Amino acid sequence: QLVLSQSPSASASLGASVKLTCTLRGGHYNYAIAWHQQQPEKGPRFLMKLNSDGSHIKGDGIPDRFSASSSGAERYLTISSLQSEDEADYYCQTWGTGIWVFGGGTKLSVL
Amino acid sequence: EVQLLESGGNLIQPGGSLRLSCAASGFTFTSYAMSWVRQAPGKGLEWVSGISGSGDSTHYADSVKGRFTISRDTYKNTLYLQMNSLRVEDTAVYYCAKEISDSGNYWGGDVFDYWGQGALVTVSS
Repeated sequence: QLVLSQSPSASASLGASVKLTCTLRGGHYNYAIAWHQQQPEKGPRFLMKLNSDGSHIKGDGIPDRFSASSSGAERYLTISSLQSEDEADYYCQTWGTGIWVFGGGTKLSVL
Repeated sequence: EVQLLESGGNLIQPGGSLRLSCAASGFTFTSYAMSWVRQAPGKGLEWVSGISGSGDSTHYADSVKGRFTISRDTYKNTLYLQMNSLRVEDTAVYYCAKEISDSGNYWGGDVFDYWGQGALVTVSS
């Protein structure tokens, strides 16, 4: 079964860095994922597609403060120099045969 | 510039029907698979249904199978979601989303790189 696990919440201070984690369950360790950001009262926004080897493709206009990496079943999103507008929900997403799956999302608070 | 614009959201009674539309522009519509994703109030994202670029292949989440039908009109560059036998638990904002890669002759799936602004569907008596 294809499942993505995310911590429900995270927090970091303005100007600091934070690393969010998405874990692939069910043995699908070589799957690519996407990271999406959803600011309050807005629709989701594609940040980047992240492959198992760490290579990634960013969405249009995504600043260099956003980066990603992979290790085994873990997929990471790192946001550096945190700004107030980074306070949002972050979802990871992947797909299988005839199914598309989202993680439960991580609510990031910028203190 | 890629744009996806949903319409058709409304308040509907349980058991009723509704059709959502998603007008697409800024890319070759027939080359990309599309999906509908929903978000219930205060909840996370849930994939609902997907369709290949050609429209000849579709997939559905178990929660909507047999009640919802996805389709696309290549002349109008529009994606649709026909929702029948609506339930209170179908209440959500519905987003259309475009896949990142050109699906070509084989649709294996991919992540989404563009989203619409959403259409609110409220199922209530």
